Amino acid sequence: GDSVTQMEGPVTLSEEAFLTINCTYTATGYPSLFWYVQYPGEGLQLLLKATKADDKGSNKGFEATYRKETTSFHLEKGSVQVSDSAVYFCALSQRGSEKLVFGKGTKLTVNP
Amino acid sequence: ETGVTQSPTHLIKTRGQQVTLRCSSQSGHNTVSWYQQALGQGPQFIFQYYREEENGRGNFPPRFSGLQFPNYSSELNVNALELDDSALYLCASSLKLDQETQYFGPGTRLLVL
Repeated sequence: GDSVTQMEGPVTLSEEAFLTINCTYTATGYPSLFWYVQYPGEGLQLLLKATKADDKGSNKGFEATYRKETTSFHLEKGSVQVSDSAVYFCALSQRGSEKLVFGKGTKLTVNP
Repeated sequence: ETGVTQSPTHLIKTRGQQVTLRCSSQSGHNTVSWYQQALGQGPQFIFQYYREEENGRGNFPPRFSGLQFPNYSSELNVNALELDDSALYLCASSLKLDQETQYFGPGTRLLVL
């Protein structure tokens, strides 16, 4: 079945550092790919998505590019802030499917 | 526009009991999905409801069941609770024509003792 693998956390960075969280997937066909963020005590929020190969999703300074050849969708941000501290989940969904398949999540802590 | 809400926020039950969790979808959304998120894990798909019918199910036993009401609110029922059912239960609503874009509620944290 489809699956998503994320880099193990936790990740601790200083403010203004560069962020990369790796995500790779195993799936048939051409799934849509997502990054969700979960702030402490809150539900999941969609951060960005990409629906086809070479698409780049972006939001709030975060970016991720759908790489079919490496089955990857790595999350990047050039300069993190303390407010970016959260758990980040990579996920996929097949066309017409009713479900999202999530990775285990990566906890990010940004220190001032 | 009202977001997805869930109740209660926290719940403690004992093994063997039954529990009902509730979800109100975002205004205008006709599809609701439920996920189980164990501690330190990603959410796992339980099932989805559309037009009051189950529209897909993950790898969960029949003691996990649900309902969707005409106003698109939903319930998740779990019978014969087991210790491993302790988790955060997330509800997500979407439009059938755009199932990829799911809006999540804050979740209900269930502890089974």
